[in-house]
Amino acid sequence: DTGVSQDPRHKITKRGQNVTFRCDPISEHNRLYWYRQTLGQGPEFLTYFQNEAQLEKSRLLSDRFSAERPKGSFSTLEIQRTEQGDSAMYLCASSRTRGETQYFGPGTRLLVL
Amino acid sequence: AQKVTQAQTEISVVEKEDVTLDCVYETRDTTYYLFWYKQPPSGELVFLIRRNSFDEQNEISGRYSWNFQKSTSSFNFTITASQVVDSAVYFCALSEADRDDKIIFGKGTRLHILP
Repeated sequence: DTGVSQDPRHKITKRGQNVTFRCDPISEHNRLYWYRQTLGQGPEFLTYFQNEAQLEKSRLLSDRFSAERPKGSFSTLEIQRTEQGDSAMYLCASSRTRGETQYFGPGTRLLVL
Repeated sequence: AQKVTQAQTEISVVEKEDVTLDCVYETRDTTYYLFWYKQPPSGELVFLIRRNSFDEQNEISGRYSWNFQKSTSSFNFTITASQVVDSAVYFCALSEADRDDKIIFGKGTRLHILP
């Protein structure tokens, strides 16, 4: 069983640019979660999918953020018009179904200059 | 309200010493899960353990052990005979069945094992 993978691992961008991150969950995991972790803090929930349906979005997810999981497999997280406050580690996790353990990917570290 | 508190921001111990990381949680749900994750310098969150609220049995896995006490809302983690490779940030976390498995993390405890 390969783990959760994320791409890219690091991204440096200028303020105002758009960025997109990808997450590939563990095979046959129905649930996929996005979290954000800022320096010195624990990860915070952003949004999650059950198959292709996005079931909940945190208030942390402003209108500039959008996430998709078009075929219920991989997911993308896009940030439009990036701001310096978006600099963080973006973590993806997947679980087989509700109530199961979430396994995390290596994260995408974003730096907005 | 759901909350996880890890009062120890940073701990340093000498290799081979035992160390306990504290975790206190708050929840109104009767069905919930508690977790510990390890985050080494590489950044990936490594799953260590999950306990459900109905299972208060302590667990031991090699040098790691966990003490779950509902009476004090605590889920402490002990590393016995620590090793340098144990150096990492450790997160305690909580998810509630009624909140669809969203995990609430503590702020983490940074553990330094000194050779």
